Amino acid sequence: AQTVTQSQPEMSVQEAETVTLSCTYDTSESDYYLFWYKQPPSRQMILVIRQEAYKQQNATENRFSVNFQKAAKSFSLKISDSQLGDAAMYFCAYRRRQGGSEKLVFGKGTKLTVNP
Amino acid sequence: NAGVTQTPKFQVLKTGQSMTLQCAQDMNHEYMSWYRQDPGMGLRLIHYSVGAGITDQGEVPNGYNVSRSTTEDFPLRLLSAAPSQTSVYFCASSYSGGRNTQYFGPGTRLTVL
Repeated sequence: AQTVTQSQPEMSVQEAETVTLSCTYDTSESDYYLFWYKQPPSRQMILVIRQEAYKQQNATENRFSVNFQKAAKSFSLKISDSQLGDAAMYFCAYRRRQGGSEKLVFGKGTKLTVNP
Repeated sequence: NAGVTQTPKFQVLKTGQSMTLQCAQDMNHEYMSWYRQDPGMGLRLIHYSVGAGITDQGEVPNGYNVSRSTTEDFPLRLLSAAPSQTSVYFCASSYSGGRNTQYFGPGTRLTVL
């Protein structure tokens, strides 16, 4: 079974510091997509960053970057210069291809607290 | 653009009642999906659709029905509500499949007594 594992149920970081959220996944595919989604207290799910497995370069979006280790099946999210507005649940997700269909599989999430 | 809209935002049902959660998008997206979110479980896929007239099951389809008669709408039907269906339900859409950014609705919090 293809799964996504987030081993840190909760993390905390001081404002302006850097934090890394971990994600590992299990797949037999060679071409796939990985995502980090953010869910603030408002409950609205928002895409943070997307990585295509065939691209060796790590994706970056402003203060958010990933460390994609394909061989290790690891996809961690680094948040630099943390801000109070970064406090949220963060979900790692994997695009699974099954037959002709595509489905997203989510990890259980990491709750990030940002301390002032 | 309104994006993805869901109604209602909150709902309380009694065991055995049926209801339909509405989802609509105005982005002309082909791919639409329903997830449920339970504490400590992340999001789990219930059903999805790759276009009008085409639907398929996700990880946890039992107790739910869907249909896709138009590109814009993707309602989720609970046939006979059970307490185990107490959850937050999210509808999402994307241009084409799971590889693209999913745009999520605001969610529906459903309680089944």
